[in-house]
Amino acid sequence: QLQLVQSGAAVKKPGASVKVSCKASGYTSSSSHIEWVRQAPGQGLEWLAVINPSTGSTRFAPELQGRVTMTSDTSTSTVYMELSSLRSEDTAVYYCARRDEYYSNYNYYYYMDVWGTGTTVTVSS
Amino acid sequence: DIQMTQSPASLSASVGDRVTITCRASQSIDNYLNWYQQKPGRAPKVLIYAASTLQSGVPSRFSGAGSGTDFTLTISSLQPEDFATYFCQQSYRTPRTFGPGTTVDIK
Repeated sequence: QLQLVQSGAAVKKPGASVKVSCKASGYTSSSSHIEWVRQAPGQGLEWLAVINPSTGSTRFAPELQGRVTMTSDTSTSTVYMELSSLRSEDTAVYYCARRDEYYSNYNYYYYMDVWGTGTTVTVSS
Repeated sequence: DIQMTQSPASLSASVGDRVTITCRASQSIDNYLNWYQQKPGRAPKVLIYAASTLQSGVPSRFSGAGSGTDFTLTISSLQPEDFATYFCQQSYRTPRTFGPGTTVDIK
């Protein structure tokens, strides 16, 4: 079945980097964009970024510009997100999700239909 | 960035109640609006996209409406499994911002 399996939890010190993986199965991974969302403890959802796995093109939330790198390995159906210069505010559960699209009246509507298992990243000294 | 707000922040309701959650965008987003449900410790689940299109497998008691800046999610008859937090999200442009969420709990 369709699933996205993410790497395990990570504990990092402030200033360090973390790389989270997201491995797709059950569908042709290169055909769907992957989006990233995070959720700080007890907080809401924050959209972070999107990548087209087949071309590598990316878009990021402005507040992450310069600190985030996303790559894809189509041979293993895996997408990676690396966040650098970590600070305590980056402590969160990070989710990847498949972007599905709906075409109607000459418009494309995007939504996240399959979500990853989540990766807890803790930044603490 | 497009700012999303939701009201109420939380509500208490009983099984069988009709529940409506409101979402507002800081600018017109046409009908580029998604609704997600999240239960504690779980990833979100899409309920509705394009403001009113029900995701496959989602019960018909969920419905969405609105266009422009004002949107609603309605649960026609609340069921025990519906107690959760609901988030709206605009898909009009990146960053695809979420609302702060509405928690529905048991009265």
